[in-house]
Amino acid sequence: EDKVVQSPLSLVVHEGDTVTLNCSYEVTNFRSLLWYKQEKKAPTFLFMLTSSGIEKKSGRLSSILDKKELFSILNITATQTGDSAIYLCAWGGSNYKLTFGKGTLLTVNP
Amino acid sequence: GAVVSQHPSWVICKSGTSVKIECRSLDFQATTMFWYRQFPKQSLMLMATSNEGSKATYEQGVEKDKFLINHASLTLSTLTVTSAHPEDSSFYICSADLTGNLNTIYFGEGSWLTVV
Repeated sequence: EDKVVQSPLSLVVHEGDTVTLNCSYEVTNFRSLLWYKQEKKAPTFLFMLTSSGIEKKSGRLSSILDKKELFSILNITATQTGDSAIYLCAWGGSNYKLTFGKGTLLTVNP
Repeated sequence: GAVVSQHPSWVICKSGTSVKIECRSLDFQATTMFWYRQFPKQSLMLMATSNEGSKATYEQGVEKDKFLINHASLTLSTLTVTSAHPEDSSFYICSADLTGNLNTIYFGEGSWLTVV
């Protein structure tokens, strides 16, 4: 059975801290790994990773994939209260289907 | 940019009644849409793949007679929860892929269903 496991499930930090969110996967026919940010409603796309070792970066967020070890990390530096959200990792397989992990609930306190 | 719209945003219904949720791709055609369900503090669970002009493909454990999906046009998919029960109360969310690349998947705003 394909599965995506995220850790930690929840995390509380102070503004300015750096956080690392983890996502491991055991899937067949790997195509892509995606990260989303979900605040109150719809998830918003952050990154899609298909190749090992290539870091994707957007502002204070960055992510990297290790296809050999079957995991990905999402880093957020200099966290802000607006970063508080659920961060979802998903495996993208064939037919555009996404299999999500349970998410990491990040709370950034002022 | 591409937008996927869901309606209603929230709905309360009585046990035993049916509720319809609409998912529209506003400025692109989507031959395939996806329906997810998310319980509080849980992840998004794929329920079914909605295929324009043909039957939906349901994930294991999802009752197709209870969750009716119709994808009658390239911009509209509907999910009908039939004979709703309180345990069906959840957040239902749809998605559509603009280009067929996974990084262009757009999600609707979601629909909160409460069955009383």
